[in-house]
Amino acid sequence: SQKIEQNSEALNIQEGKTATLTCNYTNYSPAYLQWYRQDPGRGPVFLLLIRENEKEKRKERLKVTFDTTLKQSLFHITASQPADSATYLCALDVKGGSQGNLIFGKGTKLSVKP
Amino acid sequence: GAVVSQHPSWVICKSGTSVKIECRSLDFQATTMFWYRQFPKQSLMLMATSNEGSKATYEQGVEKDKFLINHASLTLSTLTVTSAHPEDSSFYICSASDFWGGSYEQYFGPGTRLTVT
Repeated sequence: SQKIEQNSEALNIQEGKTATLTCNYTNYSPAYLQWYRQDPGRGPVFLLLIRENEKEKRKERLKVTFDTTLKQSLFHITASQPADSATYLCALDVKGGSQGNLIFGKGTKLSVKP
Repeated sequence: GAVVSQHPSWVICKSGTSVKIECRSLDFQATTMFWYRQFPKQSLMLMATSNEGSKATYEQGVEKDKFLINHASLTLSTLTVTSAHPEDSSFYICSASDFWGGSYEQYFGPGTRLTVT
């Protein structure tokens, strides 16, 4: 069955450093992969989408890579700030799913210390 | 960006009663909406896919008679938890799908915290 893993439940870093979060998947070849931010008690907020034929995508301080050979995506936040503290979720489109069915990883809780 | 609202944001109900949660896409029309459930420290689990004007598609293990979904218009989907029990207490989140730039992006509502006593 399709499986998606974010191998760090929590990540603590110092302000100003680069945070790197990992998302791995198995038994699947997604057409695209998405990253979301979720704050406590709130719904996820879309951050970035990267397609299977793209290696890297950037948005301000965010960078996402997608390696379909390794079946892995890396999510980077450069010059991290305490305001970046949140849970970050990766999600894959469900093969054969209709209009955007996604499966989500459990998320990585990022804490940026001042 | 696209905005999705949910109402109520939290609700407490007694065991055995029913609760209705509304999900609205405010600035776009969504032919498809999704309902998720999230338990503490767990991932979002898809419960059902709601298509405007047709019956919802439920994921395996989700009781369709317990979680009634209605998608009567392109901007509104409702989830009714019938005969709620304490184990139904959870964070319920809806999302609406919008086709943009060659792929579907999902926009999530703020969630509804349901507590069944």
